[in-house]
Amino acid sequence: DGGITQSPKYLFRKEGQNVTLSCEQNLNHDAMYWYRQDPGQGLRLIYYSQIVNDFQKGDIAEGYSVSREKKESFPLTVTSAQKNPTAFYLCASSPGLAAYEQYFGPGTRLTVT
Amino acid sequence: QQPVQSPQAVILREGEDAVINCSSSKALYSVHWYRQKHGEAPVFLMILLKGGEQKGHDKISASFNEKKQQSSLYLTASQLSYSGTYFCGTEISGGDMRFGAGTRLTVKP
Repeated sequence: DGGITQSPKYLFRKEGQNVTLSCEQNLNHDAMYWYRQDPGQGLRLIYYSQIVNDFQKGDIAEGYSVSREKKESFPLTVTSAQKNPTAFYLCASSPGLAAYEQYFGPGTRLTVT
Repeated sequence: QQPVQSPQAVILREGEDAVINCSSSKALYSVHWYRQKHGEAPVFLMILLKGGEQKGHDKISASFNEKKQQSSLYLTASQLSYSGTYFCGTEISGGDMRFGAGTRLTVKP
């Protein structure tokens, strides 16, 4: 089955620790995205990538970092510099960058205390 | 800047119609519509492109006014399965997507 996997589903961390969220897709899509969703709010774009070894900052990139070493993988690191890291994180992919439907993974709910 | 969606919430009876609006202050390359059910990932509904092209599902329709940077999603003869939160996503340039805060739709029997 083709799709996007995110792991783990729930993640708990202590304040001050960096944490990496996994995102893998086997859809052979070129573009991948990371979004953050807070309760009662829409999705906000953190980073996106069109090709391997290239990525762009989205609306709220501060306190986050990404890498794109392989086409199928786009991990997100939430650093200790992110002031309010507790949120629901969604990864998505699309065949290309512009005007393509995005396929979303099941999400990771991160809680930092 | 995030697009503005209205209404914030709507309650319908099965078979009734609804319209959800999305407005942006920036020139748009495309408008996307997604539906998210509680605790799940958003699911694609439709894309509207500059120039009038549309890609999406047959049972859902939408419009895109390029001059006003506004889009509307039309849900007709609503079913229980239509319940969820609807998001519009506005694409300013390739990949740079901004989503609205969502419209919570509840369909009752």
